[in-house]
Amino acid sequence: AQKVTQAQTEISVVEKEDVTLDCVYETRDTTYYLFWYKQPPSGELVFLIRRNSFDEQNEISGRYSWNFQKSTSSFNFTITASQVVDSAVYFCALSENPMYPIGGGNKLTFGTGTQLKVEL
Amino acid sequence: KAGVTQTPRYLIKTRGQQVTLSCSPISGHRSVSWYQQTPGQGLQFLFEYFSETQRNKGNFPGRFSGRQFSNSRSEMNVSTLELGDSALYLCASSLATGENFQTPDTQYFGPGTRLTVL
Repeated sequence: AQKVTQAQTEISVVEKEDVTLDCVYETRDTTYYLFWYKQPPSGELVFLIRRNSFDEQNEISGRYSWNFQKSTSSFNFTITASQVVDSAVYFCALSENPMYPIGGGNKLTFGTGTQLKVEL
Repeated sequence: KAGVTQTPRYLIKTRGQQVTLSCSPISGHRSVSWYQQTPGQGLQFLFEYFSETQRNKGNFPGRFSGRQFSNSRSEMNVSTLELGDSALYLCASSLATGENFQTPDTQYFGPGTRLTVL
């Protein structure tokens, strides 16, 4: 069975600090996809990044960066120079890609989320 | 392009009633998935529809059902409501690409329907 663990329940930082959100996953699939979503107080999940299991390149997008390490089954997310607007719950998710005719498609397994609070 | 829309945004029902939630995907998206979010269980997958067929199903009782129409719009129904069904119900749509449309695409979520069961 697939599992995603976000051990950090809540993180509080002061604005402009860097913060890393941890994500560890478990899967028996060799092909899978990992995602990060942000959920602000409004409730809508906002897509941040999608990465497949064959692409271990780290990625940077503005103040966001992601570190994917297959050897440790981790997909960590770093926000550089955090801002108050970054305050939200962040979810890491895993999607399988079974290679058989029936099934496949979209079925995300989410972690429990990390509440990030950025204060002035 | 308009995002995923869900109606209604808020609902209050009593135990034993049934409820129908609606989701309109992003134009051109063929897959619609539903998730339940509660403080205790977190985000849980309910089911996914593609081409009017249920393609994946989570571990929820038969009281939870859904359907998809030819225009990709989807509805989910919960019958005989229980207090524990109080939750935020999120709908997500995706393009559905890849061989046999199996590749997990990025799912884009709607604002959700907040259901309260009294």
